[in-house]
Amino acid sequence: DAKTTQPTSMDCAEGRAANLPCNHSTISGNEYVYWYRQIHSQGPQYIIHGLKNNETNEMASLIITEDRKSSTLILPHATLRDTAVYYCIVRAYSGNTPLVFGKGTRLSVIA
Amino acid sequence: GAVVSQHPSRVICKSGTSVKIECRSLDFQATTMFWYRQFPKQSLMLMATSNEGSKATYEQGVEKDKFLINHASLTLSTLTVTSAHPEDSSFYICSASSPGQGAYEQYFGPGTRLTVT
Repeated sequence: DAKTTQPTSMDCAEGRAANLPCNHSTISGNEYVYWYRQIHSQGPQYIIHGLKNNETNEMASLIITEDRKSSTLILPHATLRDTAVYYCIVRAYSGNTPLVFGKGTRLSVIA
Repeated sequence: GAVVSQHPSRVICKSGTSVKIECRSLDFQATTMFWYRQFPKQSLMLMATSNEGSKATYEQGVEKDKFLINHASLTLSTLTVTSAHPEDSSFYICSASSPGQGAYEQYFGPGTRLTVT
């Protein structure tokens, strides 16, 4: 079972920041928070991951609360191409452990 | 970045026939590959984990005799849906994993849409 809780759907105006929350209150000390997204009829795409510090890359920023029980993915300037289902996943840092997907958040970016 | 391909991207087959789906890691060696399926408007569901040279480990409820997985090399895994039925119609996605590929070790293919008529 997925260990995360996300809102079912969100809307965001084009050009504005999209803030996607995720609750993972049972996260273990050795588990990372990963974010992937899936655009319609495509394979999932990696976005970002983190353990306890905030992370930023060319796609997004990840803010993890100090108690690590929740996090927020931030797309700073959402475009129409960011419309997708966003999955927040917790997983131990191991290449042989599969990613277990929950239901994710369907983000609709509106012009 | 690491690239995973799948072939075919779409396939239509008749009920009772078998279909093979290939998953390839193009620029790295994948010691582990995962197979998922996704029904419309649902999330990805893990079907099985395969390690190169070993038998695949199937998730509960997935029939190993129906979904044959072969991971004979470090760059190729195949999923064969045997005696396909309309309820097997789904989007099948593979991912490949290898130590040393960096933090995000699991790379996904583009998926294969199977339609059984």
